[in-house]
Amino acid sequence: QKEVEQDPGPLSVPEGAIVSLNCTYSNSAFQYFMWYRQYSRKGPELLMYTYSSGNKEDGRFTAQVDKSSKYISLFIRDSQPSDSATYLCAMSATRDGNTGKLIFGQGTTLQVKP
Amino acid sequence: NAGVMQNPRHLVRRRGQEARLRCSPMKGHSHVYWYRQLPEEGLKFMVYLQKENIIDESGMPKERFSAEFPKEGPSILRIQQVVRGDSAAYFCASSPPRLAGGPYTGELFFGEGSRLTVL
Repeated sequence: QKEVEQDPGPLSVPEGAIVSLNCTYSNSAFQYFMWYRQYSRKGPELLMYTYSSGNKEDGRFTAQVDKSSKYISLFIRDSQPSDSATYLCAMSATRDGNTGKLIFGQGTTLQVKP
Repeated sequence: NAGVMQNPRHLVRRRGQEARLRCSPMKGHSHVYWYRQLPEEGLKFMVYLQKENIIDESGMPKERFSAEFPKEGPSILRIQQVVRGDSAAYFCASSPPRLAGGPYTGELFFGEGSRLTVL
């Protein structure tokens, strides 16, 4: 069993739709939860960061962490064609918080059609 | 302010040859990380380095792979005697020094990757 599970998709939605992306994990030591976005042939870039449980909102993006269920989500409202990319969840345990040793999900490929 | 620079962007090697991948971190960043992305898989941590020190190499294969971050110059990921299974995208990332007691945001700044193809 992988430490972090993420449905690779692809996920195709019409412009303006609400997108829900999810990851589950098995390691209860994870404390830091991140979402990275990766455009084709590019490096990942950080979208959202959350520490422990709770919600965080940034513009059209909302990240949720439910540690009791070991489940994290990223919601994208009013999706745009420019949101078409691969979205990677990433996690880190407290003891690794200083090392940048992130455990990534496989990534979900999202396509937003105009 | 230039981002993380990786070269070469594409590298083709025959089985048994050596591959050297270079990474220059962002200005002011002293922490360098190497990740590998295999087809249909997520990014896998390989190694974390600071200047002249390997801090965490728990993700590095035991043989043929090595990494360094010398006092001067870029970080180098070296793969000796490459095999077809080494074909992947290798990403370098950097982060600034974390202030004592400062927040950790998990933000790594990634380069655009070096794509290694082993024939």
